[in-house]
Order: sequence, then structure tokens, then C-alpha cells
Amino acid sequence: KQEVTQIPAALSVPEGENLVLNCSFTDSAIYNLQWFRQDPGKGLTSLLLIQSSQREQTSGRLNASLDKSSGRSTLYIAASQPGDSATYLCAVGSGTYKYIFGTGTRLKVLA
Amino acid sequence: NAGVTQTPKFRVLKTGQSMTLLCAQDMNHEYMYWYRQDPGMGLRLIHYSVGEGTTAKGEVPDGYNVSRLKKQNFLLGLESAAPSQTSVYFCASSYHRTVNNQPQHFGDGTRLSIL
Repeated sequence: KQEVTQIPAALSVPEGENLVLNCSFTDSAIYNLQWFRQDPGKGLTSLLLIQSSQREQTSGRLNASLDKSSGRSTLYIAASQPGDSATYLCAVGSGTYKYIFGTGTRLKVLA
Repeated sequence: NAGVTQTPKFRVLKTGQSMTLLCAQDMNHEYMYWYRQDPGMGLRLIHYSVGEGTTAKGEVPDGYNVSRLKKQNFLLGLESAAPSQTSVYFCASSYHRTVNNQPQHFGDGTRLSIL
């Protein structure tokens, strides 16, 4: 059974820092991996999607990497800003049509 | 752009009552999903649909039923609400899996409390 873990559960950093969020999964047979952002009281917004054949994806200050063999993905945020404060979730496309979600990392960027 | 719209946004029910949550998407997506989100549990898949007229069970289907009579709508029903069903419910939709780099799109959620 696929399990997805995100560590740490919460993180506080000063504005301007570069930071890395981690996502690990137990079954390497995935077809893609998504990183989402969730603001309080809101739904999830897709940030980056990496297909299983890809190693990384970039969008602006965000870079996501995927290492299927080790069951790991990282989300790198460059030059963090207070507006980046949110919960970040990773979801693994695993099995037929399904996504398995991690419990998220709650990020707070201090001004 | 409407995207994925969920109604209602909030609801309080008494134990044993029934209700239906509605999800509508205007992106012509084939796949639609219902999740619940609970503190410390992450999002868990309740039911999903890969096309009009088809539904399938997810990870936590007990106590829920779904229907997808039209491609753009996915309904989640609670026949006899229980306090354990207090949660935030999210609907999502996406294109067919063979369409590369197409993410899931989420609604803003329905906050449901069962007393």
C-alpha cells in the first residue's frame, strides 16, 4: 500500500531564505507526483506536476525534483516571501486514477 | 473562470439526517473525485469517477454514495449522517491520465458538521 510522508510537519523561516520541503513515498511505481499549496479555508492549488519519466519541474521560484528509485521528492522555494506562507502538500499518482496525499508541511515565512 | 464549484460551502446536520453535496466543473474533465480532509490525516479519497455514468470506491467509501449522471457534475450523498463524517469535503477534477502534465483542479471545499 502506498504511503506518503512529509517532514517536517511545520516550518518557520525568515523572509528571503531558500528552503526545501520533503516528500517521501513507499512504492516507486508511480505515474506522476504533484505539489499543491493550500491556504487556510481554501482548496488546493496545483503548483508543479512531475511525470514519472521526469526528474524535475520549475515554475518561477519553485523547483520540484523527483527520485523514484529512492522514493523521494523535494520542493525548493527560493527567496521565500511572507506570501508563501501556506500548507504544502504532495500527492503521488499511484494505482489506477488515484492520488495518495501526504499530510502536508505548514510553512510560515516571517517578515 | 469557474473551474470546480462546490455547493454548499457550509452545512450543519443532525445525526441521522441526509444531504447531498454537489460538485460542478466546467473544464470538460473526464475524471472527478471526492475527498475528505481531517486534521492529521491528509486528504483521503472517498469515491471517484472516470467518466459519465461510472463511479468507483476510494479509500473510505463507507457511509457515502455518489452519482455522475452528467459529465460536469459529481454528487456525494450522505444517507444517514454520523458525527464521524464531520470533515471538510473537497471535490477535484482532471483530464484523462494520458493527457500529460494536467493536474487535478480542486474546489474550495464544503465544511460539514454533524451534531
